[in-house]
Amino acid sequence: GQNIDQPTEMTATEGAIVQINCTYQTSGFNGLFWYQQHAGEAPTFLSYNVLDGLEEKGRFSSFLSRSKGYSYLLLKELQMKDSASYLCAAMDSNYQLIWGAGTKLIIKP
Amino acid sequence: IAGITQAPTSQILAAGRRMTLRCTQDMRHNAMYWYRQDLGLGLRLIHYSNTAGTTGKGEVPDGYSVSRANTDDFPLTLASAVPSQTSVYFCASSDSSRSSGGTGELFFGEGSRLTVL
Repeated sequence: GQNIDQPTEMTATEGAIVQINCTYQTSGFNGLFWYQQHAGEAPTFLSYNVLDGLEEKGRFSSFLSRSKGYSYLLLKELQMKDSASYLCAAMDSNYQLIWGAGTKLIIKP
Repeated sequence: IAGITQAPTSQILAAGRRMTLRCTQDMRHNAMYWYRQDLGLGLRLIHYSNTAGTTGKGEVPDGYSVSRANTDDFPLTLASAVPSQTSVYFCASSDSSRSSGGTGELFFGEGSRLTVL
């Protein structure tokens, strides 16, 4: 079956760095997406990886290892506004997205 | 402001009633999707449409129907609502799918919170 695993909740301190991990099992693979969702709001796109390696975009970076079925989202210089849920989604061979349940990130002062 | 508009934002509905959730986008995106989001579960695809005039079933289509008469509108209908359909419903669109070389990035509406009693 197809499956996405990510931690349910994480806590970090303002100004620090946090890494949110995601492992996936899909029938075929056409890329890995990360979305941010603030409470009560719509998800918004953060990143897309299809090749192995690290993609950096400002304070956020996303890493992919296709051989390990593994990705992580790295958030640096954490700000209170980064408190949100982070959704990992893998695209299978039919170009359908398989979504994780999301990781709720709590930032403390 | 370009984007996706969903209506209503919130609705309480008696079981057995018919309900249509509306979704309109002004970005001229070809592909549109309906998801439901439930606590502790990932987003689950209900129905999708790759282009106007075509629709397809997602992971959890039972009890729901959609239509895509034009590019902009993609309504979701619950013919006879049941309590298990209590959820937050998100409509989304993308300029084109990954299979046709697009980014696949989804743009979401603000959601419709539906409670079926």
